Amino acid sequence: GAGVSQSPRYKVAKRGQDVALRCDPISGHVSLFWYQQALGQGPEFLTYFQNEAQLDKSGLPSDRFFAERPEGSVSTLKIQRTQQEDSAVYLCASTPTPPGLAGVGEETQYFGPGTRLLVL
Amino acid sequence: AQKITQTQPGMFVQEKEAVTLDCTYDTSDPSYGLFWYKQPSSGEMIFLIYQGSYDQQNATEGRYSLNFQKARKSANLVISASQLGDSAMYFCAMRENYGQNFVFGPGTRLSVLP
Repeated sequence: GAGVSQSPRYKVAKRGQDVALRCDPISGHVSLFWYQQALGQGPEFLTYFQNEAQLDKSGLPSDRFFAERPEGSVSTLKIQRTQQEDSAVYLCASTPTPPGLAGVGEETQYFGPGTRLLVL
Repeated sequence: AQKITQTQPGMFVQEKEAVTLDCTYDTSDPSYGLFWYKQPSSGEMIFLIYQGSYDQQNATEGRYSLNFQKARKSANLVISASQLGDSAMYFCAMRENYGQNFVFGPGTRLSVLP
């Protein structure tokens, strides 16, 4: 089937605007991750869902960031009152099993193409 | 403290030659996995190769091999017979056994010269 998809691919927002970024994981994948990748750096973890439950949101940089996955498939990352430092690529990844259930080697994360957010 | 270190911000290699991209890691967890991803200019992270901490042999996947030296906590990626399409950012990542997310290194930009 199809891989992980994300929309929009590019988003330009004025400072102070709210944005919503969508992730469609691979069908049937239990785990979903969001990462933030600043220019020239490696991705950094934001939050993790197992089905509809948000089990880890320790990487969200502020309370302006909010993520949901209400039906355990599509996820939305929302950023309120965007700031220039929010400019980055937002990557979504999914895995078929919850971490720890299968061997470590079976939990390769499959990434989407990312959403490039530019806040002016 | 940095969990994943990639000391080469940029590397050049001649087409058809081999290249080694360095990665060192830091963990106290006895069980972990090490991953390499390729990120071309299109932005998508492409999985290349995986090495488990208990694996006795170095992982290989086609032209990619992982030089795993557990005592030194290094997991270098070797690309043989480089191709122009190998030009991209390469990220080393680690998942500890009871962790949920990946920790990524800062990446190495590889440029393959014709």
